[in-house]
Amino acid sequence: DTEVTQTPKHLVMGMTNKKSLKCEQHMGHRAMYWYKQKAKKPPELMFVYSYEKLSINESVPSRFSPECPNSSLLNLHLHALQPEDSALYLCASSQTTSNNSPLHFGNGTRLTVT
Amino acid sequence: GQQLNQSPQSMFIQEGEDVSMNCTSSSIFNTWLWYKQDPGEGPVLLIALYKAGELTSNGRLTAQFGITRKDSFLNISASIPSDVGIYFCAGQPGGSQGNLIFGKGTKLSVKP
Repeated sequence: DTEVTQTPKHLVMGMTNKKSLKCEQHMGHRAMYWYKQKAKKPPELMFVYSYEKLSINESVPSRFSPECPNSSLLNLHLHALQPEDSALYLCASSQTTSNNSPLHFGNGTRLTVT
Repeated sequence: GQQLNQSPQSMFIQEGEDVSMNCTSSSIFNTWLWYKQDPGEGPVLLIALYKAGELTSNGRLTAQFGITRKDSFLNISASIPSDVGIYFCAGQPGGSQGNLIFGKGTKLSVKP
């Protein structure tokens, strides 16, 4: 079992809906990440939070809005998504963003936008 | 931007055979990571490498951080059916603030 927990496991939403993806870790990690993974492709970085502050935004459209309420939680708020946003959304955490802190991934939320 | 070349793209092997896959980069990385991803799940960390020349084992898996810091390989010995999945290499350049560069993956199929 992964120590990074993501909910929900599956989500189907319409293009006018607002929904949120949630991620939780209790390993005391201070860096948390959102990745997007399309079928048969590697994960692509979306956002990095370091000590609860947004440190990297990989030019992600504003219809994706991350939030880090505390060091254990990471949310991704979704609004007015497009069908091409359908993908597996992976949360990850690491002790810090330094090079000797490997990322640990959750099992993802499979998102389908209709 | 930086890219990783991972090969082979896919492998079909017989149970019991050894497997080797590798990643190369045009630039230097400070960290090399190897992950395995099963369908419907997230990537699971197999081995982390932090020093050039480092050779690390995890059970039947062995990985090395290339001496030039631009490559890494993963070997799996005596493959078993549960080794099936997609293996990703990932590298962290210096000052990357946690950003991983992923290879495109090696899909491993094992025939019993």
